[in-house]
Amino acid sequence: DAKTTQPNSMESNEEEPVHLPCNHSTISGTDYIHWYRQLPSQGPEYVIHGLTSNVNNRMASLAIAEDRKSSTLILHRATLRDAAVYYCILRGGYNYGQNFVFGPGTRLSVLP
Amino acid sequence: EAGVVQSPRYKIIEKKQPVAFWCNPISGHNTLYWYLQNLGQGPELLIRYENEEAVDDSQLPKDRFSAERLKGVDSTLKIQPAELGDSAVYLCASSFMTGYTGELFFGEGSRLTVL
Repeated sequence: DAKTTQPNSMESNEEEPVHLPCNHSTISGTDYIHWYRQLPSQGPEYVIHGLTSNVNNRMASLAIAEDRKSSTLILHRATLRDAAVYYCILRGGYNYGQNFVFGPGTRLSVLP
Repeated sequence: EAGVVQSPRYKIIEKKQPVAFWCNPISGHNTLYWYLQNLGQGPELLIRYENEEAVDDSQLPKDRFSAERLKGVDSTLKIQPAELGDSAVYLCASSFMTGYTGELFFGEGSRLTVL
């Protein structure tokens, strides 16, 4: 399974945008980039995923580099509820393995 | 629609005792995962099921851990006997089907404390 690298921790001020980076230099052509977050005492929850093009949903945006070796999760206006551990994960397509391999993630602190 | 349901949420046992965790995935989800999460770390895969078949159990410590998913729906993870180092959160997750590259849905987890 291809690996990802994320900063251990980041801080943001409330109502400001947050850019969470992820490096995945060994990504293969069929790997989807997934982001999950884990609030305290809860299981991880899905945030967003993409393959090549940038993606937007109600929670966040995902910006994928043209060479796909890195990506950035963008929270447009951080709130206190966004304080969590964010995981960047690669998931292969059919016949390329179905396991989600989690790293330690980035712990995001949001300051009021 | 109900999410992934796990029970119990919390369990405290003495070492060498057995313990079991139960998971009911989202209806229609063929793929089920059990993860272990130690404090301050990301989840680590223990076993993955496709329907009732365990397709990846390479990280499951088979001397003391066992799992089953008899009818391809709910699943049970058992530890016997438990050791102090087994204290962790056990997470169950499910997804739609083999080949689906979309999201994974997690339960709230079962927190085990071994004394």
